[in-house]
Amino acid sequence: SFELTQPPSVSVSPGQTAKITCSGDALPKKYLHWYQKKSGQAPVLVIFEDTKRPSGIPERFSASTSGTMATLTISGAQVDDEAAYYCFSTDTSGHHWGLFGGGTNLTVL
Amino acid sequence: EVQLVESGGGLVQPGGSLRLSCLASGFTYTTSWMAWVRQAPGKGLEWMANINEDGNEKFYVDSVGGRFTISRDNGKNSLYLQMSSLRADDTAVYYCARQHCSSPSCYDFYIDVWGKGTTVTVSS
Repeated sequence: SFELTQPPSVSVSPGQTAKITCSGDALPKKYLHWYQKKSGQAPVLVIFEDTKRPSGIPERFSASTSGTMATLTISGAQVDDEAAYYCFSTDTSGHHWGLFGGGTNLTVL
Repeated sequence: EVQLVESGGGLVQPGGSLRLSCLASGFTYTTSWMAWVRQAPGKGLEWMANINEDGNEKFYVDSVGGRFTISRDNGKNSLYLQMSSLRADDTAVYYCARQHCSSPSCYDFYIDVWGKGTTVTVSS
């Protein structure tokens, strides 16, 4: 089966760099995308197709991939960046399935 | 403005049924794959189902296959999720979503537009 694994939580102080990882055996073959989710709000796409940033997303959000691991980096994290972050990818078995990682709660305090 | 507006959520008893609707506007609905995503209280996001542009391809996560049916009406710019045999663990916020295909076959995709969500509570 296809799985994406994230750490449950990451904590940084304001202004520090936050790194959130996502691992999965299929990542070398599939795009990886990242979403920010705040309580009571719809998810927001912050990175798509491994490293691309949508318009309107601050430059402090970036991402990289290496083998079976992807990393979302928030440089100079702000209090407003406190949220849950989810990685997302798609199945490799020929079905049009999607899958989210378990999510990482980022605390900026 | 690109917009997805869900409706149809509410309180339903275990074993009951519910139909969610999603009205799309501001983009060419007929050329978009669409999906439903949910988030149970205190849990993470769960991709549930998607449907291709003309509605003849549908895919489901294992936990809802056979109980939930995704469909669309391109003449009404609408997406639906018919839910039956509902269980307490189906309690969640349900999001309507537009898929962006990263490849022509759409085996690679991501969600680029989200609705605000509609809440389904399954309880007696």
